[in-house]
Amino acid sequence: GEDVEQSLFLSVREGDSSVINCTYTDSSSTYLYWYKQEPGAGLQLLTYIFSNMDMKQDQRLTVLLNKKDKHLSLRIADTQTGDSAIYFCAESVPGYSTLTFGKGTMLLVSP
Amino acid sequence: NAGVTQTPKFQVLKTGQSMTLQCAQDMNHEYMSWYRQDPGMGLRLIHYSVGAGITDQGEVPNGYNVSRSTTEDFPLRLLSAAPSQTSVYFCASSYSHGDTGELFFGEGSRLTVL
Repeated sequence: GEDVEQSLFLSVREGDSSVINCTYTDSSSTYLYWYKQEPGAGLQLLTYIFSNMDMKQDQRLTVLLNKKDKHLSLRIADTQTGDSAIYFCAESVPGYSTLTFGKGTMLLVSP
Repeated sequence: NAGVTQTPKFQVLKTGQSMTLQCAQDMNHEYMSWYRQDPGMGLRLIHYSVGAGITDQGEVPNGYNVSRSTTEDFPLRLLSAAPSQTSVYFCASSYSHGDTGELFFGEGSRLTVL
């Protein structure tokens, strides 16, 4: 993988929807991932999407993939204060030894 | 299942000291890796291993050594600590790299080098 870019910060009110965006550069990505990191903890996989899919929904989470624009987004519906965390976008590219992570988007949810 | 266990959680070193960060997983994962996380830098790969006896360098390997004598353990050694190695270190493992490639992370080891 090459570069994975994310905005660094997002602030929303409880109950609103949150949309976290990510762009990547390697068109040979096979899987794209969203990981969540809560304070003082490691990263946990939230969801992933295979590169031949446009959308994946999992309860409050919706992942949209625009492969032409190399753009990935994560929508969290009815955002709760417990969703406050850092969200990392990552891509898996054949032949690379690791996932390539973005720098993370800090989501702050206020009551 | 304990998952990925890292020790210690916190460590303070003086410049020039050496130490080992321990990582163990009980999921029979072939792939293990070490990352460091620094503010504004995201996660950077230090070293990784695709199986017992096999290790390779990642993006930022200088100043670190690894070995993989068993499937379960993947220790990270700091040979002569420097203030630039102040960071949070994460060990991660997966069943195999590629395919879904889900990484399972430890809780992290916060290292301060004075």
